[in-house]
Amino acid sequence: GEDVEQSLFLSVREGDSSVINCTYTDSSSTYLYWYKQEPGAGLQLLTYIFSNMDMKQDQRLTVLLNKKDKHLSLRIADTQTGDSAIYFCAETKGAGSYQLTFGKGTKLSVIP
Amino acid sequence: DVKVTQSSRYLVKRTGEKVFLECVQDMDHENMFWYRQDPGLGLRLIYFSYDVKMKEKGDIPEGYSVSREKKERFSLILESASTNQTSMYLCASSFPDRDNSPLHFGNGTRLTVT
Repeated sequence: GEDVEQSLFLSVREGDSSVINCTYTDSSSTYLYWYKQEPGAGLQLLTYIFSNMDMKQDQRLTVLLNKKDKHLSLRIADTQTGDSAIYFCAETKGAGSYQLTFGKGTKLSVIP
Repeated sequence: DVKVTQSSRYLVKRTGEKVFLECVQDMDHENMFWYRQDPGLGLRLIYFSYDVKMKEKGDIPEGYSVSREKKERFSLILESASTNQTSMYLCASSFPDRDNSPLHFGNGTRLTVT
């Protein structure tokens, strides 16, 4: 199958860390992506990781990849109210494909 | 920065009308995509195009067609709009590099069919 699974909701307090998890099924995926969607807007590319890496850090964002378990996570340090959004993980649809398979998205709510 | 522009943010159309959703990108991307987004269903691919005049069906092409006459423009057409096509429509584009081709999205068009 080609399903990408995410939990639908996450609620954290401002200043805490958020961890959004994702599992994917296609072991031949070369890149995995995280997108952010703010209310009423399109999807904005946040970060990506190549499948031969296990970690990537970009300012407050840390991506962890466990290829054996096909598990991807996005950690947001010092979560702010502006981080409230829907977060989608996505995988390339097989090696060499330019199509992406998206999860259904995790809605992050940040409590002031 | 890549800019993907969808011509309308909100549209209200009547059942049976022919509807055109327009998308333009300014980065010379070969690949363009149309998705619809519905609560609980995530993003579903309707059609995509990897070159001018080329098109491929996605997962849910029924009731839709597309047009790619110029590289920068990809149009989604609802031949006869129905209420179950009320949705958020998202256009995206990407380079043809098959190793790393993140999609760049427009801001979406929220279509209501009454």
